[in-house]
Amino acid sequence: DQQVKQNSPSLSVQEGRISILNCDYTNSMFDYFLWYKKYPAEGPTFLISISSIKDKNEDGRFTVFLNKSAKHLSLHIVPSQPGDSAVYFCAAGGNTDKLIFGTGTRLQVFP
Amino acid sequence: KAGVTQTPRYLIKTRGQQVTLSCSPISGHRSVSWYQQTPGQGLQFLFEYFSETQRNKGNFPGRFSGRQFSNSRSEMNVSTLELGDSALYLCASSTGTSGYEQYFGPGTRLTVT
Repeated sequence: DQQVKQNSPSLSVQEGRISILNCDYTNSMFDYFLWYKKYPAEGPTFLISISSIKDKNEDGRFTVFLNKSAKHLSLHIVPSQPGDSAVYFCAAGGNTDKLIFGTGTRLQVFP
Repeated sequence: KAGVTQTPRYLIKTRGQQVTLSCSPISGHRSVSWYQQTPGQGLQFLFEYFSETQRNKGNFPGRFSGRQFSNSRSEMNVSTLELGDSALYLCASSTGTSGYEQYFGPGTRLTVT
């Protein structure tokens, strides 16, 4: 049972445009959500998070939107840069320190 | 602060052997979680240790075990290795309080032949 789903395995975006990565979850007990970026041969690095009491959180070029009724969150990257090319994982957590990760979306930003 | 370190970085074992992986968390972090990453499966949660106690456990067979020491360093053991155990094993540390992000190490790439 995949509680956190990233239905797009890959995304290709032109440099300077917006990248939108999507994530759906099924467990309504999740109360915080995170996005991680992963380069090959490295561990994931934390990007941005949002708690369930908010619907938007912004950090520079990165914005995460949460739609609790739809159990959906998205990560917007504006403007996209070639260095953003990586695999992006969304993750969800509840009242423990256990995180459930999605399967990842590979983002490619081309010039 | 030094980041999360994992040793070894690469490992090749044969079927039936056992392996032990090590993880040193960020100083002051009391929680260590272990994940298995395989292509197409994302990061699968193995278990989490907090203050030397297993606090959470994923859906992996008993061949996968772990422990945490008083200095918060953690080890993961896989016994009777199978070909399907070939994966990147990641550990992540955090303060152990819900809502705080986890910081990942670079991973140990295990290949079982």
